[in-house]
Amino acid sequence: GESVGLHLPTLSVQEGDNSIINCAYSNSASDYFIWYKQESGKGPQFIIDIRSNMDKRQGQRVTVLLNKTVKHLSLQIAATQPGDSAVYFCAAPTDSWGKLQFGAGTQVVVTP
Amino acid sequence: ETGVTQSPTHLIKTRGQQVTLRCSSQSGHNTVSWYQQALGQGPQFIFQYYREEENGRGNFPPRFSGLQFPNYSSELNVNALELDDSALYLCASSLEIAGNEQFFGPGTRLTVL
Repeated sequence: GESVGLHLPTLSVQEGDNSIINCAYSNSASDYFIWYKQESGKGPQFIIDIRSNMDKRQGQRVTVLLNKTVKHLSLQIAATQPGDSAVYFCAAPTDSWGKLQFGAGTQVVVTP
Repeated sequence: ETGVTQSPTHLIKTRGQQVTLRCSSQSGHNTVSWYQQALGQGPQFIFQYYREEENGRGNFPPRFSGLQFPNYSSELNVNALELDDSALYLCASSLEIAGNEQFFGPGTRLTVL
């Protein structure tokens, strides 16, 4: 069946270090994937997305890698800052109308 | 800020009651999706509206219903509330269909006692 899931529920990172958040998916038909950041008391905020015909995409301090062979994507955050503390979700559309299926989320905690 | 607003921010209801949650989409966005997010979990798709018509729904019973208005604001109605309906309800607006970024509101926290 279709699923989007995350490997680790909590990631503790020291300020200034790089963070890597992983996500596995099972639906090979997904044509793009999205990473969201959700801070406490707020709705999910779009970070970056990647099309299935790409292996890597970079944004500001973030990089998403897609490995279609093993159905895995990751979000890398460079020089993690206290403001990066949040729950991060990967998501993928389940149909052409963009209805999203989310993973359970990874809590990133940035320590000084 | 995404330009998507939701009201109320918090709501407490008792089991069996009915509730209406509201969402104001980002200007010009004609598609709105509603999601339920239980504590510690990812959002679960409830349904989507496109130009005032329901455009698919997730695995939620009929007591979850919605409306989208000509100005593209929308409502989520839940009848016969159950304890498990306690969650954060999120709406997300977008322009047209897939491939366009969905902008989420801050959510409404519903507690059912």
